[in-house]
Amino acid sequence: KAGVTQTPRYLIKTRGQQVTLSCSPISGHRSVSWYQQTPGQGLQFLFEYFSETQRNKGNFPGRFSGRQFSNSRSEMNVSTLELGDSALYLCASSSPGLGGFWADTQYFGPGTRLTVL
Amino acid sequence: EDKVVQSPLSLVVHEGDTVTLNCSYEVTNFRSLLWYKQEKKAPTFLFMLTSSGIEKKSGRLSSILDKKELFSILNITATQTGDSAVYLCAVATGLASSNTGKLIFGQGTTLQVKP
Repeated sequence: KAGVTQTPRYLIKTRGQQVTLSCSPISGHRSVSWYQQTPGQGLQFLFEYFSETQRNKGNFPGRFSGRQFSNSRSEMNVSTLELGDSALYLCASSSPGLGGFWADTQYFGPGTRLTVL
Repeated sequence: EDKVVQSPLSLVVHEGDTVTLNCSYEVTNFRSLLWYKQEKKAPTFLFMLTSSGIEKKSGRLSSILDKKELFSILNITATQTGDSAVYLCAVATGLASSNTGKLIFGQGTTLQVKP
């Protein structure tokens, strides 16, 4: 099975712009979560989607948003970029249990490295 | 506030050494503890632990969880240069009755294995 894929792998933007990152989960995985990784804060949870619905959200400002499509692919968007948004954005997928319950074991993609100038 | 703390933050050893990485946690709604290895790319899954005292093993790696003292250790025996990486400890949180959850990560331990 192919792993989680993320595009693009690298991105350079300037302050004030917006950006959209894409994630394709492992085939058959319907839950997608997003994490931000920075040297100072480590890995922090952004949000989780299942069946096109956001089920959980971390402590990030409203500039960070996401969505999921019917084929489970997900996108996240960051508007009005700030220098502090420079980070590695990781997407993870999992295969929910019965009833769509969230599964603890998350499989990560290679990430999108976003640099904001 | 939920917190996961790893120690040491960095470690330099020589091939053949045995290392022990530590992870302590204070979280509400604990579900499980997971270990990942990150080598400048996607964190790769190593172990998931849910029960105290039951060791999980995979080759030279092993891990155990103590839910009473709220910590876990990851052991790597006979280290090799290919073990050089950042090892991440994460705690899965969320109510058992809830259909969602999240991972809370420690800062990671950077392991360098010298030939």
